[in-house]
Parts: sequence; structure tokens; C-alpha cells
Amino acid sequence: DAGITQSPRHKVTETGTPVTLRCHQTENHRYMYWYRQDPGHGLRLIHYSYGVKDTDKGEVSDGYSVSRSKTEDFLLTLESATSSQTSVYFCAIRGGLEGNQPQHFGDGTRLSIL
Amino acid sequence: DQQVKQNSPSLSVQEGRISILNCDYTNSMFDYFLWYKKYPAEGPTFLISISSIKDKNEDGRFTVFLNKSAKHLSLHIVPSQPGDSAVYFCAGGARYSSNTGKLIFGQGTTLQVKP
Repeated sequence: DAGITQSPRHKVTETGTPVTLRCHQTENHRYMYWYRQDPGHGLRLIHYSYGVKDTDKGEVSDGYSVSRSKTEDFLLTLESATSSQTSVYFCAIRGGLEGNQPQHFGDGTRLSIL
Repeated sequence: DQQVKQNSPSLSVQEGRISILNCDYTNSMFDYFLWYKKYPAEGPTFLISISSIKDKNEDGRFTVFLNKSAKHLSLHIVPSQPGDSAVYFCAGGARYSSNTGKLIFGQGTTLQVKP
């Protein structure tokens, strides 16, 4: 299994509070991704990183920010959480130079915003 | 605009029979496709992929077929086993337009294999 750890695994918080989710990898991979999974939508890309301090937006980036200060850590922050951000969040990593290498996923963080 | 669609939310098959999961796409820039399997409370696991220059790729019990003219791909599982019961996602990527590895996923199909 790819060495990906997401923390926390579960979190319940209130609307308007800041939330940070962490993705930690031990594979030294360049590319890291954050997705959210919602019923009827599959997995949707929020943000991704192609190196330390190099990040870009995905298809559903509004309300989210990311940071990557070290190769192994990719943080996803909800500055002011809303109920629409209740979801399961997955981190993924990808190694290799070719863009068609598969991504490998962590086990997810279930986030509930009340 | 949903670029990757899995129109069947669920599928039920008997153990030992063939499972066929379907996926349609609209983005002509996709040049590779992947299938992932997901069990509850776990992350998706990579299953099999196919490049757009091929029309078939096989790995053990799993075979993916690609029909570019129809913008359609399918995953065949033969024979199906109860342990195959999971949610299956297809995804498309466009390697030559960007090396970022960004993927667009379908909504998923829940497969149930009955003993």
C-alpha cells in the first residue's frame, strides 16, 4: 500500500470555524491531490500540488485553500466552514514522470459541519 | 457539464457470472482512462487502466474495453466474486495537454456480487 496518512479520520465542527485536514506521504512523490466525494458526484478535484509551494486549483476550489511547505505534507484548509462542505475528503499521490501514472489514495477524512 | 458519466448507479450479479460496468465520456482530449474500486470506509484503489491507443487491456479477471468512436469504456470482471462487491469509479485523464495527472471521475457504480 502507498504510504499515505490522512488526519483526522473524522471531524465534526460548526459552521464558520476554520478546519485543516492533513495529508502525509512517505513515498517522496511530487504530485499530491485533494478530492471530495459526494453522493451522485463521484470524486471531484479541489486542489493539487506539483511540488513544494507549487499548487493549483481543481474543479471545486471555492472555499478551500492548500499549502505544501514540505514534500511529504499537503494541507487542505476550510477558512470558514459551511454545511455544503460536509463531505468525505480524500488525498491522493502520484509518482513517476508520466501524467498517466495512477494516483493512490488515502483512506479519507469524514467531515461533518453542523 | 459531466465529462465522465456512469449511468448505472448499481449492478447486481451472481457469483461466477460476468460483471460489466459501463462508462461514457465527452472530453475528446482524454487519452487514458482508469478504473478504481472502493470499499466502505477506505480510499479508492487503482484497478486497471487503458491508453487511448489501445482498445483492450487485460489483467487477470479484469478487462477494460475502449471504444473511442462511441466515447465509451467498459470494465468486465470474469468470474465475479463476492469480494468484488464495491463501488467502481472510472476516470479520464489528458496526459498530452497537461502532465499534472488531473483526473475527472464518474459518479460510481455499486456492484453487488451475490453468493
